[in-house]
Amino acid sequence: QQQVKQSPQSLIVQKGGISIINCAYENTAFDYFPWYQQFPGKGPALLIAIRPDVSEKKEGRFTISFNKSAKQFSLHIMDSQPGDSATYFCAARERRALTFGSGTRLQVQP
Amino acid sequence: DTEVTQTPKHLVMGMTNKKSLKCEQHMGHRAMYWYKQKAKKPPELMFVYSYEKLSINESVPSRFSPECPNSSLLNLHLHALQPEDSALYLCASSHGDRGPNEKLFFGSGTQLSVL
Repeated sequence: QQQVKQSPQSLIVQKGGISIINCAYENTAFDYFPWYQQFPGKGPALLIAIRPDVSEKKEGRFTISFNKSAKQFSLHIMDSQPGDSATYFCAARERRALTFGSGTRLQVQP
Repeated sequence: DTEVTQTPKHLVMGMTNKKSLKCEQHMGHRAMYWYKQKAKKPPELMFVYSYEKLSINESVPSRFSPECPNSSLLNLHLHALQPEDSALYLCASSHGDRGPNEKLFFGSGTQLSVL
């Protein structure tokens, strides 16, 4: 059973455009929702995270929107750059266990 | 220092070999983790150590044996692995007592190939 569902599987965006990745969850015990960025051959790097009592969090070009009632959250990357091309994972935490979404491979074209 | 250091970066081993993966952090973190990541898949939790004690074991086969010698070090001992165990093994750490604000930091991983 996939506890965190992520879409789309892949995404192609033009430079300067907005990238949007969506995640949904079922487990109401999750208390922390981070997004990770992973480049080939590297470990995931924490990008931004949100708690369920907050509806939106912005850090630079990255924004998380969180809808607790719908059990959905999304990552928006504004002014997408070729250097943003990577795989993005949403995740949700219960106690110390992080459950990851299936990942979105983002390609930003110059 | 905000790094989680893993060695070796690459490892090739036969099914009868015994090898160990090592992980080190000097951020004063008291929780350390092992994750397994297959190609084009998300990381999957294997083990969690909290204050040097094993707190979560996600039903991992006994051919994987974790060890936490001290608060800065985490090992994963490998024995009699199968080819399907080939994956990127990721170590991570977190502060240990930040509650909802706990952040997880990953190392670059060890790419393991079992022949």
